[in-house]
Parts: sequence; structure tokens; C-alpha cells
Amino acid sequence: GAVVSQHPSRVICKSGTSVKIECRSLDFQATTMFWYRQFPKQSLMLMATSNEGSKATYEQGVEKDKFLINHASLTLSTLTVTSAHPEDSSFYICSAPSKGGTAEAFFGQGTRLTVV
Amino acid sequence: AQSVAQPEDQVNVAEGNPLTVKCTYSVSGNPYLFWYVQYPNRGLQFLLKYITGDNLVKGSYGFEAEFNKSQTSFHLKKPSALVSDSALYFCAVRDMGKAAGNKLTFGGGTRVLVKP
Repeated sequence: GAVVSQHPSRVICKSGTSVKIECRSLDFQATTMFWYRQFPKQSLMLMATSNEGSKATYEQGVEKDKFLINHASLTLSTLTVTSAHPEDSSFYICSAPSKGGTAEAFFGQGTRLTVV
Repeated sequence: AQSVAQPEDQVNVAEGNPLTVKCTYSVSGNPYLFWYVQYPNRGLQFLLKYITGDNLVKGSYGFEAEFNKSQTSFHLKKPSALVSDSALYFCAVRDMGKAAGNKLTFGGGTRVLVKP
């Protein structure tokens, strides 16, 4: 089946630095990808929709200058957390929908970001 | 707007006993319903979906779910739980109305603990 690969799985960075997370669709093309944030013991919160060839669409309350999204190709979307702070520490998950609204979405393995 | 409710934060069950995880939804159009499972520090794995047709849907790992339109519910069930079923379970809905697009809305998640 279709696979979405997310990298890195874990990252620790210092406050003030930036971190890039990659999300790749391995055997299918994804014109759209979704980025979620998950706090401990909580549900997934949609942060933004990444669109290939155009600007990402951010959900209300998500800072677009803080969370930079680039959908460089039909198989790659990246999320960059800029000037990271400890409160940005979280689990970030990407997903890509299969073609057609009836199909399930495929999720990456997630990235555990810890900002120290 | 679409929403999903999982009324139980945690479900405890003895191994070999039936397992039920509850989910109710609210959408403006026809719902596409999904169940996903998440193991610690991992992304979400697809279990099953309801699109149309038979209200009883069978999925991976012996799980099934029943779509009940009148009660707007989509409860997940497994006749005989295994210790390895212990995980976090998410119900999700995709509203097929045009305004909703391809976005999934997730419930808050239910932690399942299966005791030997």
C-alpha cells in the first residue's frame, strides 16, 4: 500500500534554532499534504494544508511565519519550525490523502521535537 | 462544521473479552468515517472505513465497526481483545460536502488498555 515517510523521527534542538521536518510520499504523488500537531494524550490538531505549487493554507491560530511549509514537489512537503522555543516541543505528524475522497489518508511516522 | 466525539478517554478490558470504542459524529453532508490506531511515538495506522453500503464494516486485525445513521455513531468493536491491541484509537470523519474539502476531523482519542 501507499507509504508516507517522515524524517526525522526524533530531534532535539536548542532554543532559537530552526528545525526542518520532511514528509515524502513514497509510491504515489500527493498534491496535498496535511501537517498535524499532537500534544501528549491529546488528539491531532490540523496545523496547515500543504499545496504543491502554491502557498500553504494555515488553520486559524497557527503562525505561518513560525511554521514554514514548502511543498517542493509532488512527493515532498517540509515543515520548518523557525526560532524554536520549548513550547514548540510536540509530536508533529504529516499525512497525504489518496486520490479520491473515499480513500483513507496515509500518515507519516511522526516527529518528536524537543526544544531545550 | 464537522465534529467527532469519543466519549471515553480510556477503555479497560481483559484479554479475550469483547472490546468496544465509541464514536459519534456530526457533519452537514454525507460522512466518510474512519478508524485509526496509534502506537507510542508512531504515526496513525488505518484500521477501517465506512463509505457506503453495508453498515457493518470489517477491517484490519479483526476489528469491525458499525455505522448507525440514526444515532450518528460509528463504534469500533473487536470480539476478543488481545494485549497487543493496547493503543490509542482515533475516530475521524471526512465531510464530503464541497466546503469541507479533503480534511479529516479527529475525535479526541480513546486509550485502550487490554490486561492479560
